Amino acid sequence: EAGVTQFPSHSVIEKGQTVTLRCDPISGHDNLYWYRRVMGKEIKFLLHFVKESKQDESGMPNNRFLAERTGGTYSTLKVQPAELEDSGVYFCASSQGTGRTEAFFGQGTRLTVV
Amino acid sequence: KQEVTQIPAALSVPEGENLVLNCSFTDSAIYNLQWFRQDPGKGLTSLLLIQSSQREQTSGRLNASLDKSSGRSTLYIAASQPGDSATYLCAVRNLGGSQGNLIFGKGTKLSVKP
Repeated sequence: EAGVTQFPSHSVIEKGQTVTLRCDPISGHDNLYWYRRVMGKEIKFLLHFVKESKQDESGMPNNRFLAERTGGTYSTLKVQPAELEDSGVYFCASSQGTGRTEAFFGQGTRLTVV
Repeated sequence: KQEVTQIPAALSVPEGENLVLNCSFTDSAIYNLQWFRQDPGKGLTSLLLIQSSQREQTSGRLNASLDKSSGRSTLYIAASQPGDSATYLCAVRNLGGSQGNLIFGKGTKLSVKP
């Protein structure tokens, strides 16, 4: 069974440009999460989808970030316009349920804004 | 607000040594605690998941314990090998809220010397 898959693995863009990250969760997992790790800091939660609905977006840093999960399958995270401080590694995770269930992570997308 | 701390930040040991990684958290109202491994440039691999009602979990040479009341978990690695070199992360899932997101520590970077 395929794990959580993220595209691209790396992206280098200029400040002011737009970037879209994609995550394909494990098949059948209704819960999808986005996390981010910036240099020197811990991994931090961005938002949580249950199917196509946003359950919790309390971690989204500002309105330059837009996450979607149309049809409740894959998800995209768009950053527009990108700023230097958006650089970091963006992780996607999925799980069957919440609470007691295990979360499985993708390999991450390393975003560098120059 | 839940905070997760991992000590030490880095650890270097000779091959064959048994070692302990520590994780502490400030709020004991958790569903579970999960230990992950991250290799350089890679994603997070789930190692062990301990539910709040459990005291320990074992997988091969790995043993994780949980003392929820004192807010502590340890990851014990027996007979360490160079292939164990990686960053080890612990994360907790809180009761309450959306019950979805994980709160991470900064990790312990482990180096096992041949």
